[in-house]
Amino acid sequence: GESVGLHLPTLSVQEGDNSIINCAYSNSASDYFIWYKQESGKGPQFIIDIRSNMDKRQGQRVTVLLNKTVKHLSLQIAATQPGDSAVYFCAEILTGNQFYFGTGTSLTVIP
Amino acid sequence: KAGVTQTPRYLIKTRGQQVTLSCSPISGHRSVSWYQQTPGQGLQFLFEYFSETQRNKGNFPGRFSGRQFSNSRSEMNVSTLELGDSALYLCASSLPELAGANVLTFGAGSRLTVL
Repeated sequence: GESVGLHLPTLSVQEGDNSIINCAYSNSASDYFIWYKQESGKGPQFIIDIRSNMDKRQGQRVTVLLNKTVKHLSLQIAATQPGDSAVYFCAEILTGNQFYFGTGTSLTVIP
Repeated sequence: KAGVTQTPRYLIKTRGQQVTLSCSPISGHRSVSWYQQTPGQGLQFLFEYFSETQRNKGNFPGRFSGRQFSNSRSEMNVSTLELGDSALYLCASSLPELAGANVLTFGAGSRLTVL
């Protein structure tokens, strides 16, 4: 999963399997969270968001789970496809539009 | 509608030089944020501009500066470049302070290499 540090966590999954990417956030006052996907040579792209008054939100093939008790966020990708290979970042947002990003997790999908 | 546009996409400078990067936000977005992305440090917040005023600032030295124009376009400048300034500089725009709308939309970035 994600952590602030020098090494980018990596995850390899077989095509068709489900992927789970984890993120530990630090500020209990964060009230909004976003997952971003960054493909090689591109900027981060919005995937899904969740507010702190929710514990689960689903999108197309993606689900975000929020556990405020342990300050943990996860992104689940169903039926992972080669196009899902990218670096995934979680962002915690404090009031005043202050964004804090993790260092990211590199997901590699094996065909 | 057009996304966030950053220019130039790639540039190479030498130590001691200065560089100016440009960002055109999504039409209607008035907040522009700048981030530095490096492999070891991830996305580091530089500053945010809203209505031509710097509203938030990260922990970067004074060599890093920026500004925003009346049309919301923004520039950032790095003076006296150091090798450690080599990074991908990302610009993001947003509609701030609207419920559910404070999502950052990123440009593709400007890749700076300092030799």
